Amino acid sequence: GAGVSQSPSNKVTEKGKDVELRCDPISGHTALYWYRQSLGQGLEFLIYFQGNSAPDKSGLPSDRFSAERTGGSVSTLTIQRTQQEDSAVYLCASSLGGPSGYNEQFFGPGTRLTVL
Amino acid sequence: DQQVKQNSPSLSVQEGRISILNCDYTNSMFDYFLWYKKYPAEGPTFLISISSIKDKNEDGRFTVFLNKSAKHLSLHIVPSQPGDSAVYFCAASGTGNQFYFGTGTSLTVIP
Repeated sequence: GAGVSQSPSNKVTEKGKDVELRCDPISGHTALYWYRQSLGQGLEFLIYFQGNSAPDKSGLPSDRFSAERTGGSVSTLTIQRTQQEDSAVYLCASSLGGPSGYNEQFFGPGTRLTVL
Repeated sequence: DQQVKQNSPSLSVQEGRISILNCDYTNSMFDYFLWYKKYPAEGPTFLISISSIKDKNEDGRFTVFLNKSAKHLSLHIVPSQPGDSAVYFCAASGTGNQFYFGTGTSLTVIP
């Protein structure tokens, strides 16, 4: 079956522009995570969606970052007025989620964002 | 503040020998730990996990050891194979929804 897909795979943008990154999770996975990995850093948690619950936005670094998940499936991460420090690989992951305990996260290939 | 630390950015091991990757954490509330493997231009893939009620979990060539008192876990790969060359991330989670990842260790297995 299809894994987690992300688009675009690469995005180069100018400072100050807005960007949208897309994530298609595995069908049936109720949990969806966004992470970013800056150069030389670990994966930094950004936001978590679980079913119809309010998302956990505690990892978003500033109010320029927002994310939506429509219909419990596709998610879009939006970065407004991009800055050079936003340059990173943005990774999406999905898991079965639910109350039964921890579930393995399946990651997409990531979107490499470069802000000039 | 980095709650999960991988202090060795890289490791080289001869094929057939044991690879030991280490990870330290600071939050005593963490109760679930995972290792992920990442190849270039791909997302991380799950390798093995362990809950805090155990101190060892084994899956084929991969064994994860957890020392709760030392807040330390390690991943042992034996015997190491060239295909194991990748970046390995450890991750930890507690009662919340967040998973905290280390900065990764790049393993090179020399044929």
